[in-house]
Amino acid sequence: AQSVTQPDIHITVSEGASLELRCNYSYGATPYLFWYVQSPGQGLQLLLKYFSGDTLVQGIKGFEAEFKRSQSSFNLRKPSVHWSDAAEYFCAVGVAGGGNKLTFGTGTQLKVEL
Amino acid sequence: DGGITQSPKYLFRKEGQNVTLSCEQNLNHDAMYWYRQDPGQGLRLIYYSQIVNDFQKGDIAEGYSVSREKKESFPLTVTSAQKNPTAFYLCASSITAGGRHEQFFGPGTRLTVL
Repeated sequence: AQSVTQPDIHITVSEGASLELRCNYSYGATPYLFWYVQSPGQGLQLLLKYFSGDTLVQGIKGFEAEFKRSQSSFNLRKPSVHWSDAAEYFCAVGVAGGGNKLTFGTGTQLKVEL
Repeated sequence: DGGITQSPKYLFRKEGQNVTLSCEQNLNHDAMYWYRQDPGQGLRLIYYSQIVNDFQKGDIAEGYSVSREKKESFPLTVTSAQKNPTAFYLCASSITAGGRHEQFFGPGTRLTVL
């Protein structure tokens, strides 16, 4: 079965600094990978997704992620963080033939210092 | 506007009572999902449905029941058999099953057992 690890529970960055959130997955073949963001008390919003092809994926709100098969990683990055980016971020993995079920990581809480 | 609605936003239940959480989508999606979210545990799949009149158990189905009589609706009943029902519940939908389609999420229902 597939699994997802987000090693950082909390991350604090200063506004304007760069950001990288880590995501590692475990799956025998090429997975489908997603990053979602959740504001407090809200649902999840899709930031970006990777299915195949170019390993650098651009998403909304200035986010990007890079799929690295050799490291089983799909890290999320942003060159300059804004205070409004403070939220919880979830990495998720889906597999072919899996009934479109997603397995989610436990999330990374991002705090932005002004 | 197309989207997913969940009601109520907040729900309080006395121990021993069954409660039903509503989830409606007007995205014409075939697949629908229920997740439970607890702090530090990410999202865990309760039930999912790939087509009307069919549904499958997820990872934590005990104490929950669902129905899928209409494409647009996927209500979740939290029964008295669920030992620790206080949580944030999220409904999601996707175009169809297959792993490569992102899921769209509703705003969630926070259930508190008194």
